[in-house]
Amino acid sequence: KAGVTQTPRYLIKTRGQQVTLSCSPISGHRSVSWYQQTPGQGLQFLFEYFSETQRNKGNFPGRFSGRQFSNSRSEMNVSTLELGDSALYLCASSFRLAGELFFGEGSRLTVL
Amino acid sequence: DQQVKQNSPSLSVQEGRISILNCDYTNSMFDYFLWYKKYPAEGPTFLISISSIKDKNEDGRFTVFLNKSAKHLSLHIVPSQPGDSAVYFCAAIETLGGGSNYKLTFGKGTLLTVNP
Repeated sequence: KAGVTQTPRYLIKTRGQQVTLSCSPISGHRSVSWYQQTPGQGLQFLFEYFSETQRNKGNFPGRFSGRQFSNSRSEMNVSTLELGDSALYLCASSFRLAGELFFGEGSRLTVL
Repeated sequence: DQQVKQNSPSLSVQEGRISILNCDYTNSMFDYFLWYKKYPAEGPTFLISISSIKDKNEDGRFTVFLNKSAKHLSLHIVPSQPGDSAVYFCAAIETLGGGSNYKLTFGKGTLLTVNP
């Protein structure tokens, strides 16, 4: 069974740009959640989608948005990038809400 | 306000000895707790979990203890192996409303180094 796949693995952007990250969950998993990992803050919850609907949202500004498609694939978008957005963005899928999370390897974003 | 705290950023133990990773929380509404392990350049992987109605859960070398009155949980690894060297995240879930929504909060992680 293929694991959670995130693309791209690495990317570099400049301030003010926007970025879209993609996540393909494990087949059969309907929940996809996104996390930001930085050295100082650990893992911080961004949002979770289940059956194409955002079910939970963390404390991030509106520049961070996401969506989920009918095949459960999810995308995360960050607009007007700031230097502080440099981080590892992790996607996790789960069979159900609040279920065991299976993480992808992450997309490492560097904002210059 | 950090509701899940892992106060030790790092821990170093000898191979074969016990590793004890600690986690404190402030939200008494948390009803489920999990531990994840993360190697560099990989996503976190689930290790073990415990419901708030239990005080201990064991899986092989890994045991999680929950002390609800102290709002404290710990992960014991016995015996520790060099391959256990990783960052360990404690996480807590609060079920909201009718149960379809929940809030998942992670700690900042503890880097465990197991020396051969």
